[in-house]
Amino acid sequence: EAQVTQNPRYLITVTGKKLTVTCSQNMNHEYMSWYRQDPGLGLRQIYYSMNVEVTDKGDVPEGYKVSRKEKRNFPLILESPSPNQTSLYFCASSPLSAGAAVANYGYTFGSGTRLTVV
Amino acid sequence: SQKIEQNSEALNIQEGKTATLTCNYTNYSPAYLQWYRQDPGRGPVFLLLIRENEKEKRKERLKVTFDTTLKQSLFHITASQPADSATYLCALVMDSNYQLIWGAGTKLIIKP
Repeated sequence: EAQVTQNPRYLITVTGKKLTVTCSQNMNHEYMSWYRQDPGLGLRQIYYSMNVEVTDKGDVPEGYKVSRKEKRNFPLILESPSPNQTSLYFCASSPLSAGAAVANYGYTFGSGTRLTVV
Repeated sequence: SQKIEQNSEALNIQEGKTATLTCNYTNYSPAYLQWYRQDPGRGPVFLLLIRENEKEKRKERLKVTFDTTLKQSLFHITASQPADSATYLCALVMDSNYQLIWGAGTKLIIKP
């Protein structure tokens, strides 16, 4: 089944303890992205990647890191989590069409990771 | 300033009727507009994409219109069913960088 898999589904952690949320897709998509979703604010992009070893900042990158060493994986790293990073996180992927992401396709989203930082 | 707006209040519709959701935007010139469905605690699911040169797109019971003069997209679900209850998100796709700009979504409730 074509899908984007995120782990863990739920995570409670303490301030300052480094964590990684994994994201893997099995559709050979070039484009991958991380979002956070907070009530009333909609989806906000954290980082995205157009291909292996190519990453770029989205709208809210502070406090986050990503890497894209392989096409299928795009982990999100919080080096020193803080309570304001408590949120619902989504990974998404899309194929590139003639060099343009999402020109003809929508995103495929993972099931989400609900992170609580205390 | 740039804005994308969807009705923040929930939309209650009787089963069998047509549900119409609105997505308005200002100070953007999107090349495409997409609609997604999101169930509580789950990731959004892509439904439809419409290009700036298309007025209307249909898929089964779904219809999307895109008016670049009014800067508005309407999303219609005909013969609505309780299973259509969800939050519906619109997203603008800018030609310059192909990133998506998301509305906050409208919650749709279909009552039996």
